[in-house]
Amino acid sequence: GAVVSQHPSWVICKSGTSVKIECRSLDFQATTMFWYRQFPKQSLMLMATSNEGSKATYEQGVEKDKFLINHASLTLSTLTVTSAHPEDSSFYICSARGSGAGYSNQPQHFGDGTRLSIL
Amino acid sequence: GDSVTQMEGPVTLSEEAFLTINCTYTATGYPSLFWYVQYPGEGLQLLLKATKADDKGSNKGFEATYRKETTSFHLEKGSVQVSDSAVYFCALLNTGGFKTIFGAGTRLFVKA
Repeated sequence: GAVVSQHPSWVICKSGTSVKIECRSLDFQATTMFWYRQFPKQSLMLMATSNEGSKATYEQGVEKDKFLINHASLTLSTLTVTSAHPEDSSFYICSARGSGAGYSNQPQHFGDGTRLSIL
Repeated sequence: GDSVTQMEGPVTLSEEAFLTINCTYTATGYPSLFWYVQYPGEGLQLLLKATKADDKGSNKGFEATYRKETTSFHLEKGSVQVSDSAVYFCALLNTGGFKTIFGAGTRLFVKA
């Protein structure tokens, strides 16, 4: 089945540093990738949607200058948390959907998530 | 707008018990419906899906039937195992849709 690889799975860093998270679709081309944030014992909160070759669309309340998203190719999207602070600590999950025939009914495929801890 | 409502958890069952997690939706048109499962510390995995009314999705002993008349997609399993302990998310993707709409998730604990 479709596989989405997310890296790193866990990162701890000091306050003020920037952290980049990669999301790759391994066996399909992902026209659209989604970035979610999940707080403990809560559902997923969609942060932004990225389309290959264009600017990401951010959900209301998400700081685009804080969470930089780049979707440079059909198999790679990156999320960079800039100048991270302890309140940015969370579980970040990427997701990708394929392109082509039947696209509108295709489920999203998820990475395993990145646990980010800012000290 | 489109929405998904799931029963609140946590749901605690003994091994081999019957499981039902209720899910209802509100949507215009004819959405596709999904159940995802999230094991501790991991991302979401697609468990099953149904793309039209009366379709039954099934996988790993789990089943859900797309009921348009009741706008429901309840998840069932005849005999749960401890390894089924996870969070289950019901979701929909509307026709021509772009974003999947997720329910709040239902946490399941299965005791040995």
